[in-house]
Amino acid sequence: DAGVIQSPRHEVTEMGQEVTLRCKPISGHDYLFWYRQTMMRGLELLIYFNNNVPIDDSGMPEDRFSAKMPNASFSTLKIQPSEPRDSAVYFCASSLGPYGEQFFGPGTRLTVL
Amino acid sequence: AQKITQTQPGMFVQEKEAVTLDCTYDTSDPSYGLFWYKQPSSGEMIFLIYQGSYDQQNATEGRYSLNFQKARKSANLVISASQLGDSAMYFCAMRETGGSYIPTFGRGTSLIVHP
Repeated sequence: DAGVIQSPRHEVTEMGQEVTLRCKPISGHDYLFWYRQTMMRGLELLIYFNNNVPIDDSGMPEDRFSAKMPNASFSTLKIQPSEPRDSAVYFCASSLGPYGEQFFGPGTRLTVL
Repeated sequence: AQKITQTQPGMFVQEKEAVTLDCTYDTSDPSYGLFWYKQPSSGEMIFLIYQGSYDQQNATEGRYSLNFQKARKSANLVISASQLGDSAMYFCAMRETGGSYIPTFGRGTSLIVHP
């Protein structure tokens, strides 16, 4: 079975540009998580969805960040406008049920110049 | 307050030896799950092992076992017969099932396996 798929794997952009990160969770999983990982702050939960509905977005740093899940097989995380401090690795993860282990995608390494 | 504490920023072990990575957690929820993940230098997060708070026995998965001491709120990962490929960051995580199910991760422990 395919794991969690993320695209792109690497993104380099200039400050002020819009960035869209994409995620396809494991089929049948009903929870989807977006994380950001940096050396300074470690792994931070940004937002998570249950059955395509955003449940907790308290980790989203600013209004510049938005996330959507239009259907069970696709989610996006958008940053507009991007800033250099947004440079990080962004992970998407999915799980089956509220107690299940999360399976992570390979991550998107974002560099904002 | 930190819900997951990993006190060892770095650990070294000789190949073929066993190593224990520490994890303590803080929760008032009687029902929770504990997880360990491995992150090699390539960056992906790999799920290793799970322990439920009501599980009677310690979880094991191949060379990985979880030393679960509920009263002490510790969930240490034991890797037996270390291999060079075990060199990676290891993260402990918890999901409290009585609340919002938001997972909490520790800051990680870097493990280096020497030949």
